[in-house]
Amino acid sequence: DSGVTQTPKHLITATGQRVTLRCSPRSGDLSVYWYQQSLDQGLQFLIQYYNGEERAKGNILERFSAQQFPDLHSELNLSSLELGDSALYFCASSVGLAVWETQYFGPGTRLLVL
Amino acid sequence: EDQVTQSPEALRLQEGESSSLNCSYTVSGLRGLFWYRQDPGKGPEFLFTLYSAGEEKEKERLKATLTKKESFLHITAPKPEDSATYLCAVQAIKGGTSYGKLTFGQGTILTVHP
Repeated sequence: DSGVTQTPKHLITATGQRVTLRCSPRSGDLSVYWYQQSLDQGLQFLIQYYNGEERAKGNILERFSAQQFPDLHSELNLSSLELGDSALYFCASSVGLAVWETQYFGPGTRLLVL
Repeated sequence: EDQVTQSPEALRLQEGESSSLNCSYTVSGLRGLFWYRQDPGKGPEFLFTLYSAGEEKEKERLKATLTKKESFLHITAPKPEDSATYLCAVQAIKGGTSYGKLTFGQGTILTVHP
């Protein structure tokens, strides 16, 4: 158990809908990262937050947005969902911003868009 | 753009048959190379971080090494419980700024038969 929690574990929804994925980092960690894992693309970095502020962005679609709250939990919002958004979404956390820090991953949310 | 290539895509071993997994990378300024293990439907589990060429790290039956262009994950006398997907990822520094983004390879699926 990495100490990172994600809810829900599974999510089934329809195209055009909007969903919110939630992540609680390990106790004491200030950085939160979101990754998407699909069969054809592998694990892809989406976005990083540090202590409530956006720090880095990957290939995140404009339909996707994220935020980190004062209690350090983070939410990833996916809107106007398409079939291709079906994937595993992982959250990871690390202590701060130092490059030598390990990112610990949560168990993931499996999203299925029908 | 940072690139990580892992080989082979899949590897089948008999219990006790040692082997190596390869991770080749192209990155402008490597700050860290990470190895993770991922079981089906689970989040990646951290194994090792390597920072400079010549560095080696060991954990039970696993040993990771790093050169300027690639990393190897050596598995000695593997057991069936070592079966998993092994992921390699790099973290880079760009323009003087450190980013937390991990760029992952596609992974090597290891199956160890009893």
